[in-house]
Amino acid sequence: NAGVTQTPKFQVLKTGQSMTLQCAQDMNHNSMYWYRQDPGMGLRLIYYSASEGTTDKGEVPNGYNVSRLNKREFSLRLESAAPSQTSVYFCASIEAADEKLFFGSGTQLSVL
Amino acid sequence: GESVGLHLPTLSVQEGDNSIINCAYSNSASDYFIWYKQESGKGPQFIIDIRSNMDKRQGQRVTVLLNKTVKHLSLQIAATQPGDSAVYFCAENQSGGYNKLIFGAGTRLAVHP
Repeated sequence: NAGVTQTPKFQVLKTGQSMTLQCAQDMNHNSMYWYRQDPGMGLRLIYYSASEGTTDKGEVPNGYNVSRLNKREFSLRLESAAPSQTSVYFCASIEAADEKLFFGSGTQLSVL
Repeated sequence: GESVGLHLPTLSVQEGDNSIINCAYSNSASDYFIWYKQESGKGPQFIIDIRSNMDKRQGQRVTVLLNKTVKHLSLQIAATQPGDSAVYFCAENQSGGYNKLIFGAGTRLAVHP
C-alpha cells in the first residue's frame, strides 16, 4: 500500500548540475503534480499532468521540466541547478472523483 | 523536512485541551477549502475539507468552520493529543481543478504533556 513514492529523499547538487526527481503512484490516479515547499511559504505548484500524455506549467515552472512517462510515473528534471532551487519537493496525485490529493514524502534538495 | 517549519507561527497547547488553528484566505470566489497536516519529514496529509455552501463540517475529533464574510477558515481539534503535533495549513481552490489550489504557509501545533 505504497501510495505516492518519491526518490531520492535527499540530494545535494552543485550549481549547474542536473538531476531528475522520480515520482510513482500505485493508485491508478489520472492527475499528478509537482510542488516545492520553502520555509515560511505555502506549497507552490511547479508543473502538473492532468492525464497521461499531458503536462502544463504551474505557478513556478522556470528552471524545471517534467515528463509523464506513463500513468504511474511523473518525473521532474532540473537541467542546470541553481541555489534558488534549494527546497523540499513534493509529488502528489489525485483521482478527480475523490478530490483528495495524496502526497509523497518529499525530496529535500540542496544546491550549493 | 524540518526546515520548512521555520518562521511559522506556533500554537502551544496542553494535551487534552482543544486547539483552534486559523487561516485567512485570499479570494472571495474560492469555493472549496482543505486542511492538511504535515508531520516532520513527511508529506502533507488530508484532514478535512469544506465547500463554500457550508459553514461547518465535522470529522473525527476535527471541525472546520468557514466564515465567508471575513474570508476566514478555522480548524478545531478536540482533546488534542501528542500525535497531533505537526504543521497545519489550509488550501483554497480558486477556480476548480487542483492546479489552482493556493496553500497557506501553515501553523505549527505543539502539544505538551
